[in-house]
Amino acid sequence: EVQLVESGGGLVQPGGSLRLSCAASGYIFSDYDMTWVRQAPGKGLEWVSVIRHRDGSTYYADSVKGRFTISRDNSKNTAFLQMSSLRGDDTAVYYCAKTGSGGTFNYWGQGTLVTVSS
Amino acid sequence: DIQMTQSPSSVSASVGDRVTITCRASQDISSWLGWYQQRPGEAPKLLIYAASNLQSGVPSRFSGSGSGTDFTLTISSLQPEDFATYYCHQASVFPHTFGQGTKLEIK
Repeated sequence: EVQLVESGGGLVQPGGSLRLSCAASGYIFSDYDMTWVRQAPGKGLEWVSVIRHRDGSTYYADSVKGRFTISRDNSKNTAFLQMSSLRGDDTAVYYCAKTGSGGTFNYWGQGTLVTVSS
Repeated sequence: DIQMTQSPSSVSASVGDRVTITCRASQDISSWLGWYQQRPGEAPKLLIYAASNLQSGVPSRFSGSGSGTDFTLTISSLQPEDFATYYCHQASVFPHTFGQGTKLEIK
C-alpha cells in the first residue's frame, strides 16, 4: 500500500525557515517524481514544486522561487521542502504527492499545516 | 504559465442529477489533464487522468472528456458522497497549475 506521510509543519515567524519532510512507502520511490502542493485556508490548490526522478531536476512556482528548495533522498525514501524567508501568504496545508499516469497525482499525503505569523 | 479556468465556481444539485463541470486551458495541453475530488478536511483524490481515463477504484458514474484546451468532468447520477469540491489540473508543462475549483452543493 502506497503511503505518504508529511511532517515538519508548525508555527513560524515571518522571515523564518522550516523544513518539511515526506516519507514514502509501498512503492519504488526512486522511480517517480515527487511534488509539493499547498492549500491556503479556505482556498484552492496551488502547485508548489516538483523534483524529477530521472535526473533530479527541479521546478518551482513563481510564488516560491528563490525561497523554497525541494530535494529528495532516495536511500531514505523521503522528499523535503526547505522553506525560507517565509511570509504570511505561505500559510497553508502542504501536501506531498506522487506522480502517476499522465503526470497527475495518484497518491497524496495527509498534509502538514504551516502557519506563518508573529 | 498556463491558466486553468473552471466553470461554474459552484453548483447546487440533487441526488440523482447529472452534473457537468468544465475546465478551459489558456493554451493547448493535449490530454495532460487530471480531475480531483476534495472533501472538507481531506486530501484531494484523483478521479480522472489523461483527460478521460478513470482512476482505479473510482465509480463509473465519473467520466472525463476533451483535449487541447477544453475539458469536462461529468457525474452521471449524483450520490450523497459526491458533494465536494472538484479541481482540474494541467500536467503538460511546469509549473503545473490547478483550476480554482468547483464546489458541488446539495440543493
